[in-house]
Amino acid sequence: SQTIHQWPATLVQPVGSPLSLECTVEGTSNPNLYWYRQAAGRGLQLLFYSVGIGQISSEVPQNLSASRPQDRQFILSSKKLLLSDSGFYLCARASGSNYGYTFGSGTRLTVV
Amino acid sequence: AQSVTQPDIHITVSEGASLELRCNYSYGATPYLFWYVQSPGQGLQLLLKYFSGDTLVQGIKGFEAEFKRSQSSFNLRKPSVHWSDAAEYFCAVVPSGGYNKLIFGAGTRLAVHP
Repeated sequence: SQTIHQWPATLVQPVGSPLSLECTVEGTSNPNLYWYRQAAGRGLQLLFYSVGIGQISSEVPQNLSASRPQDRQFILSSKKLLLSDSGFYLCARASGSNYGYTFGSGTRLTVV
Repeated sequence: AQSVTQPDIHITVSEGASLELRCNYSYGATPYLFWYVQSPGQGLQLLLKYFSGDTLVQGIKGFEAEFKRSQSSFNLRKPSVHWSDAAEYFCAVVPSGGYNKLIFGAGTRLAVHP
């Protein structure tokens, strides 16, 4: 199974508050993991990817950070949320050599 | 700049009509190509993908896509649309060069009239 668990499903946070979204994956070890954000009218934007524990690459400059403390755990964080951080956040993993991707069910974040 | 472009933000078709959703990419080497669908309240579902070989690819739900190298395009088609096809469609690529990064276009929202 290549299941991805994401929580929470929805979140409403005030501006300036911290954020921690967690993603855990099942299946084969040492997967490539990804965080995407889907903002209204902007499609799915790749935010971070990780090829191993402690290895994080950022695709776009922003108010967010990511960490991978364990092989199957990928965390998206912010110290102080902005209104522009609102969106739908998806965690994904790449599975195998046939470029199969598995996506989590997502977290809808609203910053108020 | 490297990019994936879906020129149509919204498309409306009548049920039973044919459909073509456009996708163009701008990469030095031909990337791997994908189409995903996201139905309201649902996750992302892979419709089809192209790596090499036959340029006409068959997918699930009656969809197909054609890779045209000369046009850097990978358009999605369906001969007869059903009301349940109303959703958002994303073209995506994995550029050559490592890390299997899946890069998405902005999406096309499809509405189907009865």
